[in-house]
Amino acid sequence: AQSVTQLDSQVPVFEEAPVELRCNYSSSVSVYLFWYVQYPNQGLQLLLKYLSGSTLVESINGFEAEFNKSQTSFHLRKPSVHISDTAEYFCAVKGKGGKLIFGQGTELSVKP
Amino acid sequence: DAEITQSPRHKITETGRQVTLACHQTWNHNNMFWYRQDLGHGLRLIHYSYGVQDTNKGEVSDGYSVSRSNTEDLPLTLESAASSQTSVYFCASSPVNTGELFFGEGSRLTVL
Repeated sequence: AQSVTQLDSQVPVFEEAPVELRCNYSSSVSVYLFWYVQYPNQGLQLLLKYLSGSTLVESINGFEAEFNKSQTSFHLRKPSVHISDTAEYFCAVKGKGGKLIFGQGTELSVKP
Repeated sequence: DAEITQSPRHKITETGRQVTLACHQTWNHNNMFWYRQDLGHGLRLIHYSYGVQDTNKGEVSDGYSVSRSNTEDLPLTLESAASSQTSVYFCASSPVNTGELFFGEGSRLTVL
């Protein structure tokens, strides 16, 4: 069965510091991986995705994630965070039939 | 613009009452999903549908039902609400089996 593990439930960082949110997955089929972001009191929005091709994928607001097949990881990184990046981040893997299987979420808190 | 809307956004009900949460999307997506979000559990799939008259159980379907009479709507019904069903519920849709979901804003349900 497919599953996703987010290794940190909370990550506090200072503004302009780098951050890494860790995600490991298990899957026996072709791997499609996603990061979603949830701002307070909102629904989830797609941040970035890996479907095939280059193992490094980027978002429009400076986040990037690297698909590492040998380590079954899809960690999310940003070299310099802003206060506005404070949110909950969810890693997900595509299951059968288009279902998404989510990790438990990582709460990123950016402090001034 | 196409969108996905949920109603009500907030509801308080009593144990044993029937509750229906509405989900309406205007993207003409075939796939629709209901998730619940609870602290420490991330998002868990309740029910999903791949098209009109199609419904399937997810990992936490007990106590819930859905129906799909048209492409746009997938209402979620709690036949007899229980306190364990206090949660935030998210509806989502996707066009094909890529795993990329579009989420509604969520419905916060409190069962007293």
